[in-house]
Amino acid sequence: DAGVIQSPRHEVTEMGQEVTLRCKPISGHNSLFWYRQTMMRGLELLIYFNNNVPIDDSGMPEDRFSAKMPNASFSTLKIQPSEPRDSAVYFCASRPGLEGHEQFFGPGTRLTVL
Amino acid sequence: GENVEQHPSTLSVQEGDSAVIKCTYSDSASNYFPWYKQELGKRPQLIIDIRSNVGEKKDQRIAVTLNKTAKHFSLHITETQPEDSAVYFCAASIPEYGNKLVFGAGTILRVKS
Repeated sequence: DAGVIQSPRHEVTEMGQEVTLRCKPISGHNSLFWYRQTMMRGLELLIYFNNNVPIDDSGMPEDRFSAKMPNASFSTLKIQPSEPRDSAVYFCASRPGLEGHEQFFGPGTRLTVL
Repeated sequence: GENVEQHPSTLSVQEGDSAVIKCTYSDSASNYFPWYKQELGKRPQLIIDIRSNVGEKKDQRIAVTLNKTAKHFSLHITETQPEDSAVYFCAASIPEYGNKLVFGAGTILRVKS
């Protein structure tokens, strides 16, 4: 099993540009999570999906952030327009389901907004 | 909502000594408490977890204890080694929100050889 796959691994962009981060969860996992990690705020949950449906998006910072999960094997997190304060490492994680608790993290995408 | 506090924020120990990291949580409904280890530049990885029907769990040099009454749980690492140096995160689940996890702020553990 390849584990959770994220792309790109690194992204450098200029303020105002659109950024799209991608995630492929572990096959068979029904829950998918997007986290943001910074030194100041630690590991924050942005949004999570169960069976492709958003369950909790209370962590999404503002309307510039949006996430989709069109099918069980793919999710995107989009920031439009991006700002320097969005610079962080974004992790995607997946879990077998509501009853399975362990979350498996992807390698992360390091985003730098200049 | 759930709040997870973690202490200390940094911990430095001599190789071979023990390390203890403590966390408290606020939601009495929480029933799952994992610990993740994150090495520099890497992803968080689960090292041990405990469920609310168990008071203690051990895996080689790592153990976790849970006190549901006091709402706190701790990670114990014995015979520390340089490769234990990393950031450790505790977390607590929120059953009413699909068992999503709330993470503590993390502890930077440095094992000096």
